Amino acid sequence: AQSVTQLDSHVSVSEGTPVLLRCNYSSSYSPSLFWYVQHPNKGLQLLLKYTSAATLVKGINGFEAEFKKSETSFHLTKPSAHMSDAAEYFCVVRGANFGNEKLTFGTGTRLTIIP
Amino acid sequence: DAGITQSPRHKVTETGTPVTLRCHQTENHRYMYWYRQDPGHGLRLIHYSYGVKDTDKGEVSDGYSVSRSKTEDFLLTLESATSSQTSVYFCAISESVRDEQYFGPGTRLTVT
Repeated sequence: AQSVTQLDSHVSVSEGTPVLLRCNYSSSYSPSLFWYVQHPNKGLQLLLKYTSAATLVKGINGFEAEFKKSETSFHLTKPSAHMSDAAEYFCVVRGANFGNEKLTFGTGTRLTIIP
Repeated sequence: DAGITQSPRHKVTETGTPVTLRCHQTENHRYMYWYRQDPGHGLRLIHYSYGVKDTDKGEVSDGYSVSRSKTEDFLLTLESATSSQTSVYFCAISESVRDEQYFGPGTRLTVT
C-alpha cells in the first residue's frame, strides 16, 4: 500500500520569495507522483506529474518538483511566489503494481502569499 | 475543468432522505471516479467506474452506491443521508487507470 505525507499544513511566504511545499511518500514499487492545486471553491487542477522519466519535473505556472528516491520525497518549489499562487496544494501518489493504481492524496498544504 | 460538470453544485438535505449527485463528461473517458473531500483528510475515493455498468468500491464506500448506464454519466447515490456525509464531492475522469485524473468543480452537500 502507498501513502503520502505533506509535512506542512500551512505555509506562508511573501510575494516574490521562493516557495517550498514538502511531500514524502511511501510505496512498495516505483510510484507515480502528482501535485494538484485547488483554488478556493474550485476543483483540482494538475500542476505536474512524475512517471519515472526525468527526476526534475516542470509544471504549469513556474512550479517544479524533484523526485528523490533516496529521500522518498517529491517537494514542490517555485522561485518567486505570486499572489495568484494562494491555494491549497495536494501531493498524490499512485501505486505502480497492477490492481493498485488508485490515487492516494495527502492532506493538503494551504499556501498563503503575503503582499 | 476538462469537460466535466457536476450537478447540483450545492445541496442541503435532511437526515434520512435519498440524494443523487450527477457527474457528466464530454471527453469520452473510460474511467470515472467519485471522491469526497473533508478537512484533514485530503480526497478519499468512494467508488469508481471502468466502463458502462462496471463499477468498484473505493476506501470509503459505505452508505454510497453508484451507477453508470452511459459513458458520459456517473451517478452517486446516498440512499439515506447522514450528517457524516456532509462533505464536498468531486467527480474525476481519466482515459485509463494510469493516466492523470481531471476533476470537476465539486458539489457541496450539507446534511442537516
